[in-house]
Amino acid sequence: KQEVTQIPAALSVPEGENLVLNCSFTDSAIYNLQWFRQDPGKGLTSLLLIQSSQREQTSGRLNASLDKSSGRSTLYIAASQPGDSATYLCSVRDSSYKLIFGSGTRLLVRP
Amino acid sequence: DVKVTQSSRYLVKRTGEKVFLECVQDMDHENMFWYRQDPGLGLRLIYFSYDVKMKEKGDIPEGYSVSREKKERFSLILESASTNQTSMYLCASSPTGHLNTEAFFGQGTRLTVV
Repeated sequence: KQEVTQIPAALSVPEGENLVLNCSFTDSAIYNLQWFRQDPGKGLTSLLLIQSSQREQTSGRLNASLDKSSGRSTLYIAASQPGDSATYLCSVRDSSYKLIFGSGTRLLVRP
Repeated sequence: DVKVTQSSRYLVKRTGEKVFLECVQDMDHENMFWYRQDPGLGLRLIYFSYDVKMKEKGDIPEGYSVSREKKERFSLILESASTNQTSMYLCASSPTGHLNTEAFFGQGTRLTVV
């Protein structure tokens, strides 16, 4: 059964730092991996989607990488801002179209 | 922009009531999902549907049913609400196929059962 783990569970950094969030999964037979952002009490906002054949995707200050063979993805946030404070979730999609989620990393960027 | 809209942001229902949570998407997606999210337990899949009138149980279907009569609408039904169903409910949709199957979520429904 696919399991997704996110480390660390929580992270607090000063504004301006570059940071890395980690996601690992146990079964490399995935179709894609997607990173989401969730603000308190809100739904999930899609940040980046990486297809299984891709190695990375970039959007603005965000860069996500995927190493399928080792079951790992990282989300790199450059020059962090207080507005980046949120919970970041990664999910993998298996052949049945189900999305399996990690438990998230709660990020606080201090002004 | 893809839009997934859940009918209510907040709901308060009484134990034993039949509760309907509605979700509508405007991108002609084949797949739709219902998750619940609880502190310490993350997102857990309740049901998903890969086509009209088609449904599959997720990890925690007990106490729930679903209806998908039209492609754009996926309803979650709590047959007899109980306090342990107090939670945040999230609906999502995604296209089928192997490429570019980005999933999109609604804004969530915070359900409280008293």
